[in-house]
Amino acid sequence: SSELTQDPAVSVALGQTVRITCQGDILRRFFASWYQVKPGQAPLLVMFGRNNRPSGIPDRFSGSSAADMSSLIITGAQAEDEADYYCQSPDQSIIRYVFGEGTTVTIL
Amino acid sequence: EVLLVESGGGLVQPGRTLRLSCAASGFNFDDYAMHWVRQVPGKGLEWVSGIGWNGDDAHSADPVKGRFTISRDNAKNALFLEMNSLTYDDTALYFCARSRSAGSGYSDGFDIWGQGTLVTVSA
Repeated sequence: SSELTQDPAVSVALGQTVRITCQGDILRRFFASWYQVKPGQAPLLVMFGRNNRPSGIPDRFSGSSAADMSSLIITGAQAEDEADYYCQSPDQSIIRYVFGEGTTVTIL
Repeated sequence: EVLLVESGGGLVQPGRTLRLSCAASGFNFDDYAMHWVRQVPGKGLEWVSGIGWNGDDAHSADPVKGRFTISRDNAKNALFLEMNSLTYDDTALYFCARSRSAGSGYSDGFDIWGQGTLVTVSA
């Protein structure tokens, strides 16, 4: 299966750590990419590969992967991190892509 | 500045055709594969279609296969999406996005996105 499963929502206190998970059989083959989406804005790539941040992404964002699960971790969450987060992977064909359903992160 | 700007969205009747465009600037367009991704308002992201750097290799998601055609004009730094036989389910904000790779195959992420163009299918 190429489906990616995410928790619908998670909340975290300001300055604390939150782990956003993405589960799917396809993640045994590929690392997930992660996107941050804020209302009215274009998606922003925040993590790719094993644990790679694009230029400009704060180092409080990190990634991990084990078996069929990938995680995006925000260490010391800030108010500006409140957003929807989507994982993405190629599907089994490799030439098509699938997104998770998204996780809404609320900063308390 | 690296920029993608979509255009061509609008209100269209079911069964009709619409052509979206994406103008790229600030980078070597023909070094990268490009993709279209859509988002129904209030819903999640859905990959639509992708094309390799030279336009020879293109792929689409099953819901749009046979109806949507992705193409590119590297001389004009432009990406297109021809959408035929539109249905209500095609109503969405359509984003163009740059792949981190040149081929239309495996990519480990889409690193540049436009702001999107809204397509509304309604009678």
